[in-house]
Amino acid sequence: ETGVTQTPRHLVMGMTNKKSLKCEQHLGHNAMYWYKQSAKKPLELMFVYNFKEQTENNSVPSRFSPECPNSSHLFLHLHTLQPEDSALYLCASSQDSREDQPQHFGDGTRLSIL
Amino acid sequence: SQKIEQNSEALNIQEGKTATLTCNYTNYSPAYLQWYRQDPGRGPVFLLLIRENEKEKRKERLKVTFDTTLKQSLFHITASQPADSATYLCALTIYNQGGKLIFGQGTELSVKP
Repeated sequence: ETGVTQTPRHLVMGMTNKKSLKCEQHLGHNAMYWYKQSAKKPLELMFVYNFKEQTENNSVPSRFSPECPNSSHLFLHLHTLQPEDSALYLCASSQDSREDQPQHFGDGTRLSIL
Repeated sequence: SQKIEQNSEALNIQEGKTATLTCNYTNYSPAYLQWYRQDPGRGPVFLLLIRENEKEKRKERLKVTFDTTLKQSLFHITASQPADSATYLCALTIYNQGGKLIFGQGTELSVKP
């Protein structure tokens, strides 16, 4: 499925670098999400945007900064990351942020912090 | 504490048999429970959604049950095929918390020819 596209697919960065992850959805959805998936752990919700407004910040450290310029695009700006931030970062979208909406995921950005 | 638990052991079954995966939850009152499939290196793909007042939902070879008394959902794949091999994730949403999906850790299913 190419409804949700994430770039880059892989990213290696040092702890002092600044980089951004990009997510784009072509499904006409109004809600977008960032998740973190670490090995052997459940997916953890990080942020929720509904109609471009942030509605959830799940106690995420400030070194992760989301941006949602419109309903089709979502960014995750990264700076001064730690080795424990190495993980798969997944973007998802849904029609809106109601409880009964299935979510459509991209294939993620595999992030490695050196 | 609040928990969502899926079989931590991988499930190995023979082609043609029915696979049954379990999702148990503690100290949640879910509005909906969803099941997703995830292949290696890919994002999760939505399969089925069931509401808290529904007992069962079916889609082709897939069936989900939801027992709020037992606090458990079962996910069945009938006539399983090697192509069904993947990790299956359950997730729930809570009333008035929007689309905040809370995931279990997933169960890896392997279907042998």
